[in-house]
Amino acid sequence: NAGVTQTPKFQVLKTGQSMTLQCAQDMNHEYMSWYRQDPGMGLRLIHYSVGAGITDQGEVPNGYNVSRSTTEDFPLRLLSAAPSQTSVYFCASSFGNTIYFGEGSWLTVV
Amino acid sequence: KNEVEQSPQNLTAQEGEFITINCSYSVGISALHWLQQHPGGGIVSLFMLSSGKKKHGRLIATINIQEKHSSLHITASHPRDSAVYICAVNSGSNYKLTFGKGTLLTVNP
Repeated sequence: NAGVTQTPKFQVLKTGQSMTLQCAQDMNHEYMSWYRQDPGMGLRLIHYSVGAGITDQGEVPNGYNVSRSTTEDFPLRLLSAAPSQTSVYFCASSFGNTIYFGEGSWLTVV
Repeated sequence: KNEVEQSPQNLTAQEGEFITINCSYSVGISALHWLQQHPGGGIVSLFMLSSGKKKHGRLIATINIQEKHSSLHITASHPRDSAVYICAVNSGSNYKLTFGKGTLLTVNP
């Protein structure tokens, strides 16, 4: 039982490049979410999904895309990276009131 | 939108001291979470509370629903407790969380 697996751990992108952060969970949780964590701010919700085929925007969705084709996977796509997207990204999955986080992805956009 | 405030922002203690971190929120909630994040590390859930008090080892979490306030206590603190402690709340029946900015705890030997 791996929990929530997030890749890559570290990534450097050039402005304008696109990339996908992968997130997978093996707990059969319906609810999955992506957050970004910036210095001096709490975690902020980017996108979330309440089940396969269903996604919705969170607090800071601009510049990001998600899809949920299976219960297990919830990838986050950066369409055209900008320096403002330099951040630490966390994927999470939830069941009831229990939440599990991935290890985080440190992304730098230069 | 629920506002979540944590205090203090930074806390330095000597090994063995009793630690208290506070969390206040502005709107009624269905659940409150205490999370731990070590430097450069992932986030781990410590407690989920909807009422009363929970204890796990040296950690104790309490919540007062009427006062919209929760506390996380660490007894006999140890350097390995050094981490950021984050309070997060569920305001409704969905899974969305609102997070505090975190409290950076440093425990010196």
